[in-house]
Amino acid sequence: SQTIHQWPATLVQPVGSPLSLECTVEGTSNPNLYWYRQAAGRGLQLLFYSVGIGQISSEVPQNLSASRPQDRQFILSSKKLLLSDSGFYLCAWIRNSPYEQYFGPGTRLTVT
Amino acid sequence: AQSVTQLGSHVSVSEGALVLLRCNYSSSVPPYLFWYVQYPNQGLQLLLKYTSAATLVKGINGFEAEFKKSETSFHLTKPSAHMSDAAEYFCAVSPTGGGNKLTFGTGTQLKVEL
Repeated sequence: SQTIHQWPATLVQPVGSPLSLECTVEGTSNPNLYWYRQAAGRGLQLLFYSVGIGQISSEVPQNLSASRPQDRQFILSSKKLLLSDSGFYLCAWIRNSPYEQYFGPGTRLTVT
Repeated sequence: AQSVTQLGSHVSVSEGALVLLRCNYSSSVPPYLFWYVQYPNQGLQLLLKYTSAATLVKGINGFEAEFKKSETSFHLTKPSAHMSDAAEYFCAVSPTGGGNKLTFGTGTQLKVEL
């Protein structure tokens, strides 16, 4: 069966510090991978998605970037965090047809 | 373009009462539709999905949803609410003809009271 991991589970970082969140998927090959953010009291915002190694699509211009160095690894980064980057970050992968998405446990990021 | 609208950001029901969470969709092609549940500080879990087979779809934890094309709706119901149903629920849509992204609604927070 497929499993998706995210780490760290929680993170507290000061404004201006760098960020690296990691997501890995087990049990499938060449998955489509996604990064979402949930800000407090708001819905899911799609940040990035990737259909393959080195292929990244950005949905929203912002202070973040994503990379996919390996087939089942997806990384979310920032060079300098802003207060507005605080939120709950979710990684997901999709099963092609009927496009069910499966989510990781999430990372709670607090920027202070 | 596709979108979903969830009416009511917060819904409160008594334990044992009917749960009804509303979702309306807009899609230029026949859609696939999904309901997800999210418990505090956890990822989203798939509750059920509509994939153009039966219009009444049964999911986990006693939930079901009915696809009504004439009303462009996919409302989520459960006959009898349980305290453990308290969570946030998201409706999502994707086109059947292709595409690899889901479009999510803004979510409905369900509160279950004694």
